[in-house]
Amino acid sequence: GEDVEQSLFLSVREGDSSVINCTYTDSSSTYLYWYKQEPGAGLQLLTYIFSNMDMKQDQRLTVLLNKKDKHLSLRIADTQTGDSAIYFCAQYSGAGSYQLTFGKGTKLSVIP
Amino acid sequence: DTEVTQTPKHLVMGMTNKKSLKCEQHMGHRAMYWYKQKAKKPPELMFVYSYEKLSINESVPSRFSPECPNSSLLNLHLHALQPEDSALYLCASSQGSSQDTQYFGPGTRLLVL
Repeated sequence: GEDVEQSLFLSVREGDSSVINCTYTDSSSTYLYWYKQEPGAGLQLLTYIFSNMDMKQDQRLTVLLNKKDKHLSLRIADTQTGDSAIYFCAQYSGAGSYQLTFGKGTKLSVIP
Repeated sequence: DTEVTQTPKHLVMGMTNKKSLKCEQHMGHRAMYWYKQKAKKPPELMFVYSYEKLSINESVPSRFSPECPNSSLLNLHLHALQPEDSALYLCASSQGSSQDTQYFGPGTRLLVL
């Protein structure tokens, strides 16, 4: 079956880079997603990567995809206190699916 | 515009009450979703509407009743809920085909007493 795994916590100092990692099992998802959830809020689509790409850069965000190892990472450069949130990795559960499978979420804490 | 709106923001209800959650999007999306999220957990899919037809019901108890009056609106009718149903209820929408990107609303925080 499909499964998405993430480490639960990450703590970084303001100004440093953050790297959040995710592993997945299903190779049929067309895109892989990163969502951000601030306390008490909904999920904000942060970025996504097409499954035939290796890297995508969007301002301070860099997504790396290693299809061979089924490993996805999100790098946040110059991490700010406003980046403190839970980050969910997600993929669809197979071809033709409407069901997103989420990882358990990584709580990023930024120390001023 | 990638906005999904949800009302109310917060809701407190007793176990004998009937209430409804509302979700709206004006992006022309044809798939809409309800998720339930408990504290410190990822969202769990409840229902999917595709082109105003219920296409997925993830074995949700009948005390939750979804409704899709038109392509922009999605309701979730609540009746005889239990305290364990207290959670953040999230609505999302996508263009309409499978594996389309989902955009989420801010959620309704529900407390059942």
